[in-house]
Amino acid sequence: DAGVIQSPRHEVTEMGQEVTLRCKPISGHDYLFWYRQTMMRGLELLIYFNNNVPIDDSGMPEDRFSAKMPNASFSTLKIQPSEPRDSAVYFCASSRTGTVKNIQYFGAGTRLSVL
Amino acid sequence: GQQLNQSPQSMFIQEGEDVSMNCTSSSIFNTWLWYKQEPGEGPVLLIALYKAGELTSNGRLTAQFGITRKDSFLNISASIPSDVGIYFCAGQMGTGGSYIPTFGRGTSLIVHP
Repeated sequence: DAGVIQSPRHEVTEMGQEVTLRCKPISGHDYLFWYRQTMMRGLELLIYFNNNVPIDDSGMPEDRFSAKMPNASFSTLKIQPSEPRDSAVYFCASSRTGTVKNIQYFGAGTRLSVL
Repeated sequence: GQQLNQSPQSMFIQEGEDVSMNCTSSSIFNTWLWYKQEPGEGPVLLIALYKAGELTSNGRLTAQFGITRKDSFLNISASIPSDVGIYFCAGQMGTGGSYIPTFGRGTSLIVHP
């Protein structure tokens, strides 16, 4: 399997611009997670989906953040408008119910820099 | 909410030395996981522990699920330069269909040749 695929790997944008991060989970996985990693806060869970349905978005920092999962093989995390404090590494992870206690597999991440 | 305290925060060691790190929780978990994150990559699962008292090895890595279910330990023997990275512990309750892990803040390991 190709693993969790994220794009782009790096994104540099200016404050106020819209940013869209993309994720393709492992085929057959029914859970998808979005995380943000910073030095200050470590790994933060932003939102997760089960069978394409958002289950818990309590970690989404504010209304500027939104996530969608239109089908089982694709998800997006959008920031509009972006701010410098959004600079971080964003990870997508997926897992499968019923396998080895739902272990999460992570993508390589998107490093976002907002200038 | 659940809190995970992972220590030490960072370690600077010489190649060949053994490494120990641990995680403690304010509440019990049914599963403990240890991940490694290399620079520029996402966390990769190293070891998963499912029973209190369980001791599991993966090469030079050994992890234990504490008998109180509130802690876990990871040891690396005879460290080598490629062990460099951030090691994360994570606990999962795994009850009622909830398998969402709580992650520690990570232990940053630097190995000097």
